[in-house]
Amino acid sequence: SAVISQKPSRDICQRGTSLTIQCQVDSQVTMMFWYRQQPGQSLTLIATANQGSEATYESGFVIDKFPISRPNLTFSTLTVSNMSPEDSSIYLCSVENGVAGYGYTFGSGTRLTVV
Amino acid sequence: AQTVTQSQPEMSVQEAETVTLSCTYDTSESDYYLFWYKQPPSRQMILVIRQEAYKQQNATENRFSVNFQKAAKSFSLKISDSQLGDAAMYFCAYSHAQGGSEKLVFGKGTKLTVNP
Repeated sequence: SAVISQKPSRDICQRGTSLTIQCQVDSQVTMMFWYRQQPGQSLTLIATANQGSEATYESGFVIDKFPISRPNLTFSTLTVSNMSPEDSSIYLCSVENGVAGYGYTFGSGTRLTVV
Repeated sequence: AQTVTQSQPEMSVQEAETVTLSCTYDTSESDYYLFWYKQPPSRQMILVIRQEAYKQQNATENRFSVNFQKAAKSFSLKISDSQLGDAAMYFCAYSHAQGGSEKLVFGKGTKLTVNP
């Protein structure tokens, strides 16, 4: 299985500011997924990041709010822009474990609190 | 769109006993994958067990097993000989099998408490 290093693990931010979350994978992967987990809730996909092309966003998420970069096959960033308290969540990145159907590895998550 | 439903927000079990967590899903696809993930307070998502829809045999991983009923679109998780370390949120998840990386669709989760 892939190993993902996600940073930062937590942060407290002022409203109106932005935070960039980084995920580094120890192997080359085609797709990286970014999820949001609101307090006490399940995981919701924000977008899928494919190296060399624009990220694909799910309904309810827009690029201006959650810009994503994918400069190479082992790295991606998610930025949470112009933050409000409603953005307080855990953000996780994920990659598929090689062969389809073998499950997905997740980063350790970033706990974001907006004050 | 695919949906995953976990009807039990919370469950509890005595240590060493057996507990079953329920999951149903809705899809029009015939080929897909199903997963159970565990999320302890550390918030790390840990893959517990997976099932390929084209396989009739239920998956088993040590104390964890599933009851996969494709026609009923049901995918329950049985934990045998429960241990204190099994206490966590458990998420059922679905992904379509299309050859490339596919997103996971998660249920709302079941919080499992293990009583000593």
